Amino acid sequence: IAGITQAPTSQILAAGRRMTLRCTQDMRHNAMYWYRQDLGLGLRLIHYSNTAGTTGKGEVPDGYSVSRANTDDFPLTLASAVPSQTSVYFCASSFSGRATDTQYFGPGTRLTVL
Amino acid sequence: GQNIDQPTEMTATEGAIVQINCTYQTSGFNGLFWYQQHAGEAPTFLSYNVLDGLEEKGRFSSFLSRSKGYSYLLLKELQMKDSASYLCAVKDSNYQLIWGAGTKLIIKP
Repeated sequence: IAGITQAPTSQILAAGRRMTLRCTQDMRHNAMYWYRQDLGLGLRLIHYSNTAGTTGKGEVPDGYSVSRANTDDFPLTLASAVPSQTSVYFCASSFSGRATDTQYFGPGTRLTVL
Repeated sequence: GQNIDQPTEMTATEGAIVQINCTYQTSGFNGLFWYQQHAGEAPTFLSYNVLDGLEEKGRFSSFLSRSKGYSYLLLKELQMKDSASYLCAVKDSNYQLIWGAGTKLIIKP
């Protein structure tokens, strides 16, 4: 693989169900991010991780959790999905979380919660 | 609060020049980024400015004035493939990116 991959590409989910969105990067980047993108709004940061073993909350963390067991993987879990979590989710990574470096994005997961 | 403003939509003609403006108010400043996003795809990096002035990269240029909290993206010799949304983002004092809602650019033949 090259760059960042996300799975699934899209998903329709019943409200109340648990769902994990997967993100893997092979660029050996230290920092990883989860954003959601909704029509008419800018990308909003959900959670981030500056290095393996650490995570932090972004602007809209409620209802979501993340883990960073290793450098490559950064899964996002919705413990009990609600319709307001219908969105396009992008995973991104950058070499460092504290420098002014560029973030690179995965292809996204389109999630619909009914 | 933190705020990034850019026009919602712009229309331009193939072969012409278009300027997309971005104004920002953020807690701290560690650089301004422009990304391009085609419909249904991921954002891709276009440019980065941290010092005042113009950065030129082929048909695309980006300008920054930190004192005015202002940037613009200039696209020259427009091509149909430039039809996309252009996202302005500022890295704040916590090194988090604050994003504008994006400007949808429509190119007409």
